[in-house]
Amino acid sequence: KQEVTQIPAALSVPEGENLVLNCSFTDSAIYNLQWFRQDPGKGLTSLLLIQSSQREQTSGRLNASLDKSSGRSTLYIAASQPGDSATYLCAVSNTGNQFYFGTGTSLTVIP
Amino acid sequence: DTAVSQTPKYLVTQMGNDKSIKCEQNLGHDTMYWYKQDSKKFLKIMFSYNNKELIINETVPNRFSPKSPDKAHLNLHINSLELGDSAVYFCASSDDRRVTEAFFGQGTRLTVV
Repeated sequence: KQEVTQIPAALSVPEGENLVLNCSFTDSAIYNLQWFRQDPGKGLTSLLLIQSSQREQTSGRLNASLDKSSGRSTLYIAASQPGDSATYLCAVSNTGNQFYFGTGTSLTVIP
Repeated sequence: DTAVSQTPKYLVTQMGNDKSIKCEQNLGHDTMYWYKQDSKKFLKIMFSYNNKELIINETVPNRFSPKSPDKAHLNLHINSLELGDSAVYFCASSDDRRVTEAFFGQGTRLTVV
């Protein structure tokens, strides 16, 4: 069964820093990987989706990479802002019909 | 327009009651899901429906029963609510014909007292 782990569990950085969030998964036979953001008391907002055939995706200050063979993905956030403070979740899909979620990284960007 | 909408957003109820959470998506997706987020913020799938048919049913008490009247709706009915059912329940949908990006509702915070 797929297991997804995110490191670190919590991260606090000063505004303006670049940062990397890590996601690892045990079964490399994935269909795709998706990064989400969750604000306190809110739902999940999709940030980036990487298909299994892709190596990376970019959206604004966000860049997500995927190394399927090693079971890893990273989410790079450039020039962090206080508004980036949230919990970031990665989820992998093995079949396209189910998403396995990581434990999340709680990010705080200090002004 | 909200892509995936759930109602209610908050639900407080007594033990033993029966309650339902409704979910609707206007994205034309084929697959809908129910996820449970526990107090440690971990999201775990409960059910997955594809074109109104149940395709995934994880280890969930049979007090939980999903109902899909059509492709755009997946409701969650819970019988005989217990304290341990308190959590945030998320509905989601995806289109398995394409990229399978998942879209989530805003969640329903269920509190059983």
